[in-house]
Amino acid sequence: AQSVTQLGSHVSVSEGALVLLRCNYSSSVPPYLFWYVQYPNQGLQLLLKYTTGATLVKGINGFEAEFKKSETSFHLTKPSAHMSDAAEYFCAVSARYGNKLVFGAGTILRVKS
Amino acid sequence: EAGVTQSPTHLIKTRGQQATLRCSPISGHTSVYWYQQALGLGLQFLLWYDEGEERNRGNFPPRFSGRQFPNYSSELNVNALELEDSALYLCASSSQQDLYEQFFGPGTRLTVL
Repeated sequence: AQSVTQLGSHVSVSEGALVLLRCNYSSSVPPYLFWYVQYPNQGLQLLLKYTTGATLVKGINGFEAEFKKSETSFHLTKPSAHMSDAAEYFCAVSARYGNKLVFGAGTILRVKS
Repeated sequence: EAGVTQSPTHLIKTRGQQATLRCSPISGHTSVYWYQQALGLGLQFLLWYDEGEERNRGNFPPRFSGRQFPNYSSELNVNALELEDSALYLCASSSQQDLYEQFFGPGTRLTVL
């Protein structure tokens, strides 16, 4: 079975500051890992994914995440926050033999000017 | 390329009624997934259809059901609506070439009064 824990339901950063959103997962099989972003009253947009290979994954809008198996983590980072990054972010895990996504509870990112 | 579309955008029903939600996947995608995003409960997997068959089901009662049509579009039916069914229902699709990347639609907001 898979599960995801996102540390911090709300994160606030200043514009231009580093964004760090934390995600830890539990999986009985090698996981596929994802970060999605949701803007108000919209669906989910895929930011990036880890399947196999390079553990540092680059995504859209300047975001990246690093898969650390030993720490069972997949934290999302962005060097410099923009006002447009304010949204809710979801980390998700999928098993290799099952297709459902198991989501974390989400982290709301606030960007202060 | 058109994305995943869902209809209606909003749906208001009363307790005990039935709701039907519709989803059209991205052209060429054969898998459709349904998720419920309810306040306080996060994103939960409901159903997965592939090639017209139900492949997996989340921990929801039988009054949540659906189907996938030959053109790969899908319906989610919720019978005997309860107040706690009020949520955003998200549909996602994926292709056979990449079953693990799911593309989400904008959702249907169901309100049960």
